[in-house]
Amino acid sequence: AQSVTQLDSHVSVSEGTPVLLRCNYSSSYSPSLFWYVQHPNKGLQLLLKYTSAATLVKGINGFEAEFKKSETSFHLTKPSAHMSDAAEYFCVVSDRVDFGNEKLTFGTGTRLTIIP
Amino acid sequence: DAGITQSPRHKVTETGTPVTLRCHQTENHRYMYWYRQDPGHGLRLIHYSYGVKDTDKGEVSDGYSVSRSKTEDFLLTLESATSSQTSVYFCATLERGGSYEQYFGPGTRLTVT
Repeated sequence: AQSVTQLDSHVSVSEGTPVLLRCNYSSSYSPSLFWYVQHPNKGLQLLLKYTSAATLVKGINGFEAEFKKSETSFHLTKPSAHMSDAAEYFCVVSDRVDFGNEKLTFGTGTRLTIIP
Repeated sequence: DAGITQSPRHKVTETGTPVTLRCHQTENHRYMYWYRQDPGHGLRLIHYSYGVKDTDKGEVSDGYSVSRSKTEDFLLTLESATSSQTSVYFCATLERGGSYEQYFGPGTRLTVT
């Protein structure tokens, strides 16, 4: 069984300072991991994904995440926060055990607030 | 953006009435999914489809049924709506092979009074 834990339900940072959103996962197999972003009253947009290639993954809008198997973590970072980064972020895991039976498990989300 | 639309975008209905939500895609993706989003729970899978007429249950399928008669359409039906089904519903699609990325529709906000 797969699961994902987002360690912070709410993170506040000042504009221009680094962002760290933490995610730990549990997976029986080699997982795929994703970060999605949801702006208020919008659908979900993929930020970045890890699918067993490079462990440091770069995404859109300056975000990146590092897959650390030994720590079962996939934390999301950005060097300098922008006001437009204010949103809800979801860490997602997929075991891909049964190819084609692609079921994702979502974390409960981290709401990122940017302080001007 | 993947061409995924959901209808209606907002709906208010009374307890006990049937409700059908529609997801339409123009990407010819094989896999389609219905999720519900509730505060503190993230997104939870209701049902999914791996082809025309091929569907299976997710983790919160009780009270919901689905149908997929065409590649492009995936319908979610609440046979007798309850207040616990008040939620935001998202449809998603996946293209087999490659990125394993799911593309999400804009969501439907359903309120059951």
